[in-house]
Amino acid sequence: DGGITQSPKYLFRKEGQNVTLSCEQNLNHDAMYWYRQDPGQGLRLIYYSQIVNDFQKGDIAEGYSVSREKKESFPLTVTSAQKNPTAFYLCASSLTGREQYFGPGTRLTVT
Amino acid sequence: AQSVTQLGSHVSVSEGALVLLRCNYSSSVPPYLFWYVQYPNQGLQLLLKYTTGATLVKGINGFEAEFKKSETSFHLTKPSAHMSDAAEYFCAVYMDSNYQLIWGAGTKLIIKP
Repeated sequence: DGGITQSPKYLFRKEGQNVTLSCEQNLNHDAMYWYRQDPGQGLRLIYYSQIVNDFQKGDIAEGYSVSREKKESFPLTVTSAQKNPTAFYLCASSLTGREQYFGPGTRLTVT
Repeated sequence: AQSVTQLGSHVSVSEGALVLLRCNYSSSVPPYLFWYVQYPNQGLQLLLKYTTGATLVKGINGFEAEFKKSETSFHLTKPSAHMSDAAEYFCAVYMDSNYQLIWGAGTKLIIKP
């Protein structure tokens, strides 16, 4: 089955720790995206990548980092510099940059 | 700046009633248009899309949407609401070649028994 996987579904961390969220796709899509979702705020773009070894900042990149070493993988690191990291994180991929397909999401809680 | 407006953060309808979720975008160029649905604690699922051609687009779960260029609108409808339609719905627009979608704020659809 082709699709996007995000792991884990739920993640708990202590404040001050970096944490890496996994995103893998087997759709052979070139473009991948990370969004953050907070209650009542819709989707906000963190980073996106159009091709391997290249990525661009989205609207809220501060406190986050990414890498794109393989076409299939686009991990997101939430650093200790992110002031309010508790949120629902969604990964997506796209063949054309238009229609995007989403993973199931990771809910990160930092206390 | 390009924008997408979804009218109403919450819409409540009775089971069996018409569902109408509104989406307007700002652009002078015909865009690509999408509706996505999100159930609680899940990712987004593509409901339907408009690219070119027929302006009335049919999607999954009995939903459809009509692209009206003169009104810059892409409203989502379903003739008869079902309890399983309760979810949040997002309208999104792709207008240029920057590989990004512009998202509406979302509308939470509540179905009353």
